[in-house]
Amino acid sequence: GENVEQHPSTLSVQEGDSAVIKCTYSDSASNYFPWYKQELGKRPQLIIDIRSNVGEKKDQRIAVTLNKTAKHFSLHITETQPEDSAVYFCAATDNAGNMLTFGGGTRLMVKP
Amino acid sequence: NAGVTQTPKFRVLKTGQSMTLLCAQDMNHEYMYWYRQDPGMGLRLIHYSVGEGTTAKGEVPDGYNVSRLKKQNFLLGLESAAPSQTSVYFCASSAGPSAYEQYFGPGTRLTVT
Repeated sequence: GENVEQHPSTLSVQEGDSAVIKCTYSDSASNYFPWYKQELGKRPQLIIDIRSNVGEKKDQRIAVTLNKTAKHFSLHITETQPEDSAVYFCAATDNAGNMLTFGGGTRLMVKP
Repeated sequence: NAGVTQTPKFRVLKTGQSMTLLCAQDMNHEYMYWYRQDPGMGLRLIHYSVGEGTTAKGEVPDGYNVSRLKKQNFLLGLESAAPSQTSVYFCASSAGPSAYEQYFGPGTRLTVT
């Protein structure tokens, strides 16, 4: 089955700096890669996703890049703000497209 | 719209007891999922359903059973709880397969002593 690894497990940045979270996946047939944000005590919520036919996608301060050859994708957050503090999860579909496999999560702390 | 709801929010069980977690969604979604979340291990899929009357195993199905008798409800059962099942359980639903956005419920914190 699919295996998704996520790094780093914790990340501390100063407000205004950029943050980058990286994920690798094992199944070359995976074609959909979402990112979820989970604030403390809350439910995960989708913040951005990318499909295998594009290499980059942006939405205001967040962007995701995908390298299918190397089987890795990354989340980039620019001009970080305290409200960006949360746990971020990457995920990838299995080859049948029915399930998502999640990475272990990255706890991002933005210091004011 | 309430979205995805879960009951109960918290529960403490003794080893060997049974319980059922209820997930309900009002978005007319076909797909529903049960995950467990443990520190450092992300979200792991227990079981999922692609429509009313169907269920399938996920990554960690052992010790759990599920049923989807109505489209809007997805039940997760623990027949004989074990301390290893202490976790936060999230239900999710989506309009289609995994390449569609999944909407999560608020979670159920289960402790097995």
